[in-house]
Amino acid sequence: QKEVEQDPGPLSVPEGAIVSLNCTYSNSAFQYFMWYRQYSRKGPELLMYTYSSGNKEDGRFTAQVDKSSKYISLFIRDSQPSDSATYLCAMSGTGRRALTFGSGTRLQVQP
Amino acid sequence: NAGVTQTPKFQVLKTGQSMTLQCAQDMNHNSMYWYRQDPGMGLRLIYYSASEGTTDKGEVPNGYNVSRLNKREFSLRLESAAPSQTSVYFCASSGGMGGEKLFFGSGTQLSVL
Repeated sequence: QKEVEQDPGPLSVPEGAIVSLNCTYSNSAFQYFMWYRQYSRKGPELLMYTYSSGNKEDGRFTAQVDKSSKYISLFIRDSQPSDSATYLCAMSGTGRRALTFGSGTRLQVQP
Repeated sequence: NAGVTQTPKFQVLKTGQSMTLQCAQDMNHNSMYWYRQDPGMGLRLIYYSASEGTTDKGEVPNGYNVSRLNKREFSLRLESAAPSQTSVYFCASSGGMGGEKLFFGSGTQLSVL
């Protein structure tokens, strides 16, 4: 079993929809949680960064972490065609430098 | 502001050939990483360097070697390429303070025939 599980999609939604992307994990030592966005043929870019449990909001994006359930989410409000990309969750623990990534969810926002 | 620069962007090799992927960062980061990305597998860590002069194996190190040439540069070498090494390779760097935010290069698409 992978340490981090993520539904690969693809997920197709109409423009303006609310999108929910999720990851589950098994390692209780993870404390740092991130979401990366990756456009086709590009490198991943950091979108959201959260330490421990709770919510973090940045514009149309909200990241949630529920450590008790080992579950993290990314919500995108008022989705735009420019949000079409693959979204990767990533996480690490204290003293563990490298990130462990989910396999990514491909999102397509239809105009 | 270049960030993380990888070369080459594309490469085709024959089985058994060798090559080196180059990576350089201009953010004065301590830590550098090499990942490979395969369909359905996500990003898997090959090697990383926590600081200049140190390197450590990641999840999938077999068939690869690395060199941390200085603080800026971290290269990945395939000594005898195999078709199983066909992948997209990403270099990344971070400040090295824990809870790492990684900054990625644009990737090298490698095909081994």
